[in-house]
Amino acid sequence: DAGVIQSPRHEVTEMGQEVTLRCKPISGHNSLFWYRQTMMRGLELLIYFNNNVPIDDSGMPEDRFSAKMPNASFSTLKIQPSEPRDSAVYFCASSTGSGTGTPYGYTFGSGTRLTVV
Amino acid sequence: LAKTTQPISMDSYEGQEVNITCSHNNIATNDYITWYQQFPSQGPRFIIQGYKTKVTNEVASLFIPADRKSSTLSLPRVSLSDTAVYYCLVVLYNQGGKLIFGQGTELSVKP
Repeated sequence: DAGVIQSPRHEVTEMGQEVTLRCKPISGHNSLFWYRQTMMRGLELLIYFNNNVPIDDSGMPEDRFSAKMPNASFSTLKIQPSEPRDSAVYFCASSTGSGTGTPYGYTFGSGTRLTVV
Repeated sequence: LAKTTQPISMDSYEGQEVNITCSHNNIATNDYITWYQQFPSQGPRFIIQGYKTKVTNEVASLFIPADRKSSTLSLPRVSLSDTAVYYCLVVLYNQGGKLIFGQGTELSVKP
């Protein structure tokens, strides 16, 4: 099992550009989560999907952020336009949670370090 | 929303047992308690999870008293490689099992 795969590992972009982060969850996992980590705010949950459907996007900071999960094996987090304050490490995680709180552990990817200059 | 409170930092020495206590006064009946470990430049890693009493695996033990308002993660005989941030979280049963991370406890293990 290759685990949760995120790409790219590092991304440097200029302010105003579109950024797309990608995630491949573990096969068979039906819940997917996007987190953002900064020194100031720690780990923040941005959005999560269950069976490819967005369940809770209350953590998405603003309309510049959008996330999709077109199928069970792929998700994207897009920032358009990007701003310097979006600089952070973005993590994707997946689990076998059924949406009813089944307490299985999350598996996190290695993250994408985004720098917006 | 069940908020967790844990020490910001702890120091220990190699070979010692480390106990990190977390309070979660507002935990709901169906919620679970879970702990994660995070090393620098890596994603958090699941350590252990429990509902009540005691749970043990190859890495740690988790003690949860009957009232479930607190829990203690026990790491036996720590080594330098256990230096990391440890997060105590409540798995929100009625919100699809989502995890809300707090600030965590930064454990430093010294030789």
